[in-house]
Amino acid sequence: DQQVKQNSPSLSVQEGRISILNCDYTNSMFDYFLWYKKYPAEGPTFLISISSIKDKNEDGRFTVFLNKSAKHLSLHIVPSQPGDSAVYFCAASVWKTSYDKVIFGPGTSLSVIP
Amino acid sequence: SAVISQKPSRDICQRGTSLTIQCQVDSQVTMMFWYRQQPGQSLTLIATANQGSEATYESGFVIDKFPISRPNLTFSTLTVSNMSPEDSSIYLCSVERGAQETQYFGPGTRLLVL
Repeated sequence: DQQVKQNSPSLSVQEGRISILNCDYTNSMFDYFLWYKKYPAEGPTFLISISSIKDKNEDGRFTVFLNKSAKHLSLHIVPSQPGDSAVYFCAASVWKTSYDKVIFGPGTSLSVIP
Repeated sequence: SAVISQKPSRDICQRGTSLTIQCQVDSQVTMMFWYRQQPGQSLTLIATANQGSEATYESGFVIDKFPISRPNLTFSTLTVSNMSPEDSSIYLCSVERGAQETQYFGPGTRLLVL
């Protein structure tokens, strides 16, 4: 049962335009959401996060929106740059007695076209 | 963030053998995590490793197949035992850092089992 879903396996965007990556989740116990970026042959890099008590978090070109009622979050990148081309993983965490268990979505491969 | 290194970065192994992957962190951490990313799939948590106690394994993963050591607060090893081609994956370690205990990842170990 996939608790974190990213229904678009890939996305192409023109340089300078907005990239919108979407993510849906099923577990209402998730209390913290994260986006990671992964380049080939590297580990995932933390990008931005949002607590379940907020609906928006912004960091430079990156903004994450959370709609708890819809169990949906999205990552906006504006303006998109060629260096943003990577696989983006949506992740959600839930407290498990002694640690935060993080569950990852399948990823969306973003290509930013110059 | 955290500086995390893994050894080896990649390896090609024969069926039936075992490989031990090392993970070193630049400062002391309580919890270390081991993940697997199979080809074309997302990251899946294998186990959490707390210094001084036995690792806690997720459903579908067992200690006999993936023994973990955590001898101190900056180091951990994951062994992939009696390997088969199905074990071909990227293996990643991660640690929690910051007020939100965000997970940060190492560069990963690419394993190919022939």
